[in-house]
This record gives sequence, structure tokens and C-alpha cells, in this order.
Amino acid sequence: GEDVEQSLFLSVREGDSSVINCTYTDSSSTYLYWYKQEPGAGLQLLTYIFSNMDMKQDQRLTVLLNKKDKHLSLRIADTQTGDSAIYFCAEESGGYQKVTFGTGTKLQVIP
Amino acid sequence: GAGVSQSPSNKVTEKGKDVELRCDPISGHTALYWYRQRLGQGLEFLIYFQGNSAPDKSGLPSDRFSAERTGESVSTLTIQRTQQEDSAVYLCASRRPGLADNEQFFGPGTRLTVL
Repeated sequence: GEDVEQSLFLSVREGDSSVINCTYTDSSSTYLYWYKQEPGAGLQLLTYIFSNMDMKQDQRLTVLLNKKDKHLSLRIADTQTGDSAIYFCAEESGGYQKVTFGTGTKLQVIP
Repeated sequence: GAGVSQSPSNKVTEKGKDVELRCDPISGHTALYWYRQRLGQGLEFLIYFQGNSAPDKSGLPSDRFSAERTGESVSTLTIQRTQQEDSAVYLCASRRPGLADNEQFFGPGTRLTVL
């Protein structure tokens, strides 16, 4: 079955880079996603990567995928206080469009 | 409306009562998902609909939980004989048909409190 794991908490200083890590178990994953949940708000898609890619960059966000180790990371450059939120990693299993979410990593940005 | 809506936004019920949660997906979105988020925890997959059928019900915690969807639109999640451990935010998401990299659009959730 699918299982997605993340560390629960990360604290960084404003202006530094943040790296949020995720591991997954399903080798048939097709797409991997990063969602952001701000306090009192719903989840929103930040970015995604197709499983045949190693890296994807989108402005301050860099996604790295190591398919061999089933490891996904999200790097946020020049982290701002507005980046404080919970970040969820999610994987899509082949075939059924089933999306499994991780436990979420709470990012705290210290001014 | 333009987004996914859920009702009620808040529900307080007594242990043992049945509750029904509703999700209105974005028009034209054929895929619909239900998740549960307990306080301070991640999203727990419950069930997924493709059209009216549910290819994967593996996340439903027990036979007290059931869900249905009619007409590729509204879905209801029913919890019978609620227990205190059912207290959580229940999130619904929908997705348009097509490539698998389509975004899931989430509703605001229903906060269920079982006393």
C-alpha cells in the first residue's frame, strides 16, 4: 500500500532556505505534489513533479525527486514569514488517480 | 459557486448519533475525494469517486462510514453511531478529468465534534 512520511516540524530564519523532505513507498507513483495549508485556509497546490523528472524549479521553489530512494524534497529559497504554513507531500498512484498525502510538515519562519 | 463547497461548516453531535456531510464539487469535475484531518495531523484518505463509482474505499475506517455520489456531482459522507474519535475536519476535493497532474481543489471542510 501507499505510505508517505514527512518530518513534523521545521524552523528557519527569514531569508534562509528551507528544505522539507518526504519519503514514499509506492514505486508506481506517477506524480508527486506539494500542497500548502495556511492557518484557517484550505489546501492549495504549490507545485508538482512527474515521476520521470529529477528536478523542477518554479521561482523560489525547487523540487528534487530521487526515484531510486523514493525521496522527494521541496526547497524554498529566501524564506519569508508568509511561507509559514503546513506543507503536505502527496503521491499519485498509477491507474486510479488515488492521491495519498503525508502527515504534513509545519514550517515556522522566524523574523 | 466557483469552488468546492461543503456543508455544514461545523457540526456538533452527541455520541451515537448519525451525521451526514455534504460536498458540492466544482462543476465538470469527475473525480471527488474525501479526506479526514484530525487536529494537528495529516490528511487521511477515506474514499475516492470517479464519476458515480468508488474504485477505492480502502480508507473508510469502519463500516460505520459510507459515502455516495449521485449524478457526478454532490457527494455525501455518512457516519453512523458517531464516536468521539470521529471528531476531525472532513475535507472534500474535486478534480477535472484529464491528465493526472491536475490539481485537487479542496473545500473548506466540515469540522465535526462528537461529544
